[in-house]
Amino acid sequence: GAGVSQSPRYKVAKRGQDVALRCDPISGHVSLFWYQQALGQGPEFLTYFQNEAQLDKSGLPSDRFFAERPEGSVSTLKIQRTQQEDSAVYLCASRVLGGSTEAFFGQGTRLTVV
Amino acid sequence: GQQVMQIPQYQHVQEGEDFTTYCNSSTTLSNIQWYKQRPGGHPVFLIQLVKSGEVKKQKRLTFQFGEAKKNSSLHITATQTTDVGTYFCAGNQGGKLIFGQGTELSVKP
Repeated sequence: GAGVSQSPRYKVAKRGQDVALRCDPISGHVSLFWYQQALGQGPEFLTYFQNEAQLDKSGLPSDRFFAERPEGSVSTLKIQRTQQEDSAVYLCASRVLGGSTEAFFGQGTRLTVV
Repeated sequence: GQQVMQIPQYQHVQEGEDFTTYCNSSTTLSNIQWYKQRPGGHPVFLIQLVKSGEVKKQKRLTFQFGEAKKNSSLHITATQTTDVGTYFCAGNQGGKLIFGQGTELSVKP
């Protein structure tokens, strides 16, 4: 596709349930980012990949959060034993390579934990 | 780690008035990017500033990068209802983008 694609767009999970969020970056984009955006807030950095290597995961809030990008393209963000405070929009972004290029965002996945 | 602060959090203006949002970083930035997020949408890239003291214009939008490369501003002249949304600055740190909290702009027609 032409842009960054995320699925599902909306996810309602019962507290304690595991969820998996998918991101399909723009073809050829080396860098991939996951952000968490709470209502009325800016995107908060979660983790960053360059190809399949996870270079920075300092923003992951707890060990319940796990991200992977095994073949350097599609990425999955997994949240185990979801809690209400995990409710947010999860944004994925990709860019060609490094710090001097623009990031292209997907539409996001809105996760609601009930 | 690097922190990026943005003010104000909200700005309500009458159509035709000017608008400015300010961004400050706790550390010197290699470059800064600005994004716009419409209500219900996702952040969309507007511009990147790289050089100390750089000024760039896009129609009614003027972007500035401070001399010390620690602050930046976005100024919109004569706002229109199409300018509604949240404007974010983002600094690069080790390849990752750190976003400010954003300034939400509402425009009354």
